[in-house]
Amino acid sequence: AQKVTQAQTEISVVEKEDVTLDCVYETRDTTYYLFWYKQPPSGELVFLIRRNSFDEQNEISGRYSWNFQKSTSSFNFTITASQVVDSAVYFCALSDAMDTGRRALTFGSGTRLQVQP
Amino acid sequence: NAGVTQTPKFRVLKTGQSMTLLCAQDMNHEYMYWYRQDPGMGLRLIHYSVGEGTTAKGEVPDGYNVSRLKKQNFLLGLESAAPSQTSVYFCASQQGARTGELFFGEGSRLTVL
Repeated sequence: AQKVTQAQTEISVVEKEDVTLDCVYETRDTTYYLFWYKQPPSGELVFLIRRNSFDEQNEISGRYSWNFQKSTSSFNFTITASQVVDSAVYFCALSDAMDTGRRALTFGSGTRLQVQP
Repeated sequence: NAGVTQTPKFRVLKTGQSMTLLCAQDMNHEYMYWYRQDPGMGLRLIHYSVGEGTTAKGEVPDGYNVSRLKKQNFLLGLESAAPSQTSVYFCASQQGARTGELFFGEGSRLTVL
């Protein structure tokens, strides 16, 4: 069975601070995908990144960066110089990739990030 | 660029009433999903479909039924609504077996009194 744990329920930072959102996952698959989605107050789910299990290179996109470590089953997300517009709920998710025939995501419970001006 | 469209966006039901949520996608995706989102629990999979005419149960299927008569549409039905089904429902579609990324609708907020 798959499981995604986001232990941080809510984080509050002041604008321009750096913040890291933790994600720990469990799977027996050797091939899988990891995702981060953002859910702003408007409610829609916005795709941020997908990472497959064979690619452990860290990725940076502007102020966003992701640290994937298979050894610790973690896929952490860092926002550098946070802004008020970053305030949202962030979900980490896991997708198996092999023989199930379906590729639905298993989501963590989410981390609510509040960035104060 | 419609993407994934859910109707209705909001609905209030009384216990025991029935209703259907419609999800329509215009991306010719094979896979479609219904999730529910509850506070502190993330999104949980209700039912899914890997192609026209096929459906399967997800993590929390009880009290719901689905149908995929046309590739572009995935319907979620509540035959006898219960207060425990008060939630925000998200439909998602997915291109194929190796892509992974889900495209989500805007959500449908359902309240059962």
